[in-house]
Amino acid sequence: ILNVEQSPQSLHVQEGDSTNFTCSFPSSNFYALHWYRWETAKSPEALFVMTLNGDEKKKGRISATLNTKEGYSYLYIKGSQPEDSATYLCAPYNTGFQKLVFGTGTRLLVSP
Amino acid sequence: GAGVSQSPSNKVTEKGKDVELRCDPISGHTALYWYRQSLGQGLEFLIYFQGNSAPDKSGLPSDRFSAERTGGSVSTLTIQRTQQEDSAVYLCASSLKENSLEKLFFGSGTQLSVL
Repeated sequence: ILNVEQSPQSLHVQEGDSTNFTCSFPSSNFYALHWYRWETAKSPEALFVMTLNGDEKKKGRISATLNTKEGYSYLYIKGSQPEDSATYLCAPYNTGFQKLVFGTGTRLLVSP
Repeated sequence: GAGVSQSPSNKVTEKGKDVELRCDPISGHTALYWYRQSLGQGLEFLIYFQGNSAPDKSGLPSDRFSAERTGGSVSTLTIQRTQQEDSAVYLCASSLKENSLEKLFFGSGTQLSVL
């Protein structure tokens, strides 16, 4: 079993706050990392696919960084808005398992 | 189609009955995946298809679960003799090809409740 941990499990912030979450995964046999956003009553939506150590991706107010040597990725949201409320899932691809393994997610609630 | 379509969106069944879940992927996507999310759990991989073949069935929880894909398009996931522990959201996803760098496009899921 590939151990993928996301923290915190849930987070409640006020509109305008900036926040970040962590995805930890085994660094050995790492190949790629996916981030998805899953809003209630909707389908999970891809945010980023990252492969290189030190890589940083950005999409609007959301950005992500990747450290493949130590096995973690951070997702940042700058100036959170209520529409950012969702569960954020990370999924590393490991060449040993040869499939995406999803974490349990970080549930974010942004209050107006 | 415009997106991944799953049906039914909700299914309530009695323990011991068989159920069939359907997934219609994005046109042209050769890879198709089935996941499920049980209450309080992460997304659990079940099976994936490349074209009509299923190279990896390792995630199917028991021999009561089976899946097929025909014509490189629609897939059905069948659960025989359903049990209460089968209750979950079953998600289908497709991607252009089976490649870890390809984003998955998910359907809206089937909420299965086994009474």
